[in-house]
Amino acid sequence: LAKTTQPISMDSYEGQEVNITCSHNNIATNDYITWYQQFPSQGPRFIIQGYKTKVTNEVASLFIPADRKSSTLSLPRVSLSDTAVYYCLVGDAVNTGTASKLTFGTGTRLQVTL
Amino acid sequence: DTAVSQTPKYLVTQMGNDKSIKCEQNLGHDTMYWYKQDSKKFLKIMFSYNNKELIINETVPNRFSPKSPDKAHLNLHINSLELGDSAVYFCASRIQGARTEAFFGQGTRLTVV
Repeated sequence: LAKTTQPISMDSYEGQEVNITCSHNNIATNDYITWYQQFPSQGPRFIIQGYKTKVTNEVASLFIPADRKSSTLSLPRVSLSDTAVYYCLVGDAVNTGTASKLTFGTGTRLQVTL
Repeated sequence: DTAVSQTPKYLVTQMGNDKSIKCEQNLGHDTMYWYKQDSKKFLKIMFSYNNKELIINETVPNRFSPKSPDKAHLNLHINSLELGDSAVYFCASRIQGARTEAFFGQGTRLTVV
């Protein structure tokens, strides 16, 4: 599985846009990029997933350049409630032969303040 | 309706005891996982079951034994508990072989004293 590297922590003020970049230089052709969010005392929660270019949902956007060696999670106008740890995962989500391990890295701790 | 539920939410026990954590999912998923999150917040996969069959067994001491009586349940039994077993244990489920998200339970905080 491709290894991921993210900043350990980030700080932001409420109302700003936050971009968290994840490096995955060894990403394989079949690998998808998935982001999870974890609040204190809760389990991780799926945010967004993509393969290339740009994906947007009601929560975030995911930007993936053509070489796919990195990806950026963009959170528009964060609020205090977005304070959490954000994990970038890379893996083969369509392989029917083996179970995906959902390997979590260290994650990025985002702190949003007023 | 809770999608993935774990019981108990908190568990405090003495070293040497045997304890179990239960997990149930009502999503109709065929794959379930157990993860351990230690004090440094690293999430490590322990086991994965697909249709009641053990698929992933990471380097976990034999004192940990998962059991899946059916696709909707994956329990974790721990023998001879040690101080180092203190952590938060998360159960998760998803559909195997598809580009789908995993759903996690709220976690079980195990404290061994």
